[in-house]
Amino acid sequence: QVHLVQSGSDVKRPGASVKVSCKTSGYTFTDYYIHWVRQAPGQGLEWMGWMNPDSGGTTYAQKFEDRVTMTRDTSSSTAYMDLTRLKSDDTAVYYCARDRRKFLPNGCGNWGQGTLVTVSS
Amino acid sequence: DIQMTQSPSSLSASVGDRVTFTCQASRDIGKFLNWYQQKPGKAPKLLIYDASILETGVPSRFSGRGSGTDFTFTISSLQPEDIATYYCQQYDTLPPLTFGGGTRVE
Repeated sequence: QVHLVQSGSDVKRPGASVKVSCKTSGYTFTDYYIHWVRQAPGQGLEWMGWMNPDSGGTTYAQKFEDRVTMTRDTSSSTAYMDLTRLKSDDTAVYYCARDRRKFLPNGCGNWGQGTLVTVSS
Repeated sequence: DIQMTQSPSSLSASVGDRVTFTCQASRDIGKFLNWYQQKPGKAPKLLIYDASILETGVPSRFSGRGSGTDFTFTISSLQPEDIATYYCQQYDTLPPLTFGGGTRVE
C-alpha cells in the first residue's frame, strides 16, 4: 500500500523558513514524481512544483521559484519542501502527493495527510 | 498557462439527485484531465483521470465526460458521503499543473 506521511504542524514568524518532510512507503520512490500543493484556509488547491526523485530535478511554479526548494533523500524515500521568507499569506496546509503515473508528471494519485503551516508574528 | 474554470462554484442537492457540474479549459487539452474529491479537513483524492477513467475502487455513480475544452463530472445518485468539493486539473501542457477553482457540493 502506498503511504505518504508528512511532518507535523508548524508555526513560523514572518521572514522565517519552513521545511516540510514527506516520508513515502509501499512503492519504488524513484519511479514517481512528487508534487507539492498548498491550500490556504477556505481556498482552492495551488500547485507549487514537482521533483523527479530519481534525478533530483525540480520544476517550480513561477510564483514560488525564488523561495522554494524541493529535495529528497533516496535512502529513506523521503521528500522535502523548503519555503523561505515566509509571509502571512503563506499560511496554508501543504500537501505532498505522488504522481499517478510512473516516470512522467500527470497529476496527484496519492496524497499525504497535509501539514498546516501558520505564519504569524 | 492554461486556465481551468469550474462552474458552478457551489451547488445544493438532495440525496438521490443527479448532480452535474463543469470544467472549462482556456485551450484544447484533449482528454488530459483529472477530477479530485476533497472532503472537509481531508486531503484530496483522485477519482477520475484521462477525463473519464475511474480510479480503482471509485464507485460507478461517478463519471466524467468531455474532451478539448469542455468537461463534465456527474454523480448519478448523490449519497451523503459525496458531500465535498470537487476539483478538475489539466495535465496537457506542463508546467504548471493547474487546478480549477472547485465546485462545492452541499
